[in-house]
Amino acid sequence: GQNIDQPTEMTATEGAIVQINCTYQTSGFNGLFWYQQHAGEAPTFLSYNVLDGLEEKGRFSSFLSRSKGYSYLLLKELQMKDSASYLCAVPSSNDYKLSFGAGTTVTVRA
Amino acid sequence: EAQVTQNPRYLITVTGKKLTVTCSQNMNHEYMSWYRQDPGLGLRQIYYSMNVEVTDKGDVPEGYKVSRKEKRNFPLILESPSPNQTSLYFCASSFDTGREQYFGPGTRLTVT
Repeated sequence: GQNIDQPTEMTATEGAIVQINCTYQTSGFNGLFWYQQHAGEAPTFLSYNVLDGLEEKGRFSSFLSRSKGYSYLLLKELQMKDSASYLCAVPSSNDYKLSFGAGTTVTVRA
Repeated sequence: EAQVTQNPRYLITVTGKKLTVTCSQNMNHEYMSWYRQDPGLGLRQIYYSMNVEVTDKGDVPEGYKVSRKEKRNFPLILESPSPNQTSLYFCASSFDTGREQYFGPGTRLTVT
């Protein structure tokens, strides 16, 4: 699959901001997804970036730089319910595979 | 309600005993996929299907089979399960690879 790197764990305080980075290597580019997965549950879609720049959706924003092979997910005004694993995923450009990073576990402390 | 269903949710079986995990979606999605999730390795794609009768290997297809005879169903078959197939399995569907995937609730499989 694609080479996708994310930090394993991050910890932050309620109300703070956390930035989760994702770097990828791919021969072509078909966009980048972010998913959220709470412990014991299925992943749910957060965002999809195909063009460079920042896309904001409420407290969550996602940024993409195609030239740098880099994306980040920004979580603002952290709440306890944001404690979860965040998965970065990249579709292959020459077939229909979808590769996921190993995920970043975010722990929000009171 | 739009959803992806998987059955069973939990399964404990023995090495070599054939099993099938069913997956069904009611959203008329073209693309369906199976993943396994293991600690530290994240989600890895086993097989995917672009449409009826069109399937292809993902990154970890060894030991698995799939079929897509109807648009809504995409069963995962383990002909001869082994302990290294103990994992959490997710089925997912979407209109295509450039659209968000909807995941089933997961099937936790243990092979002893």
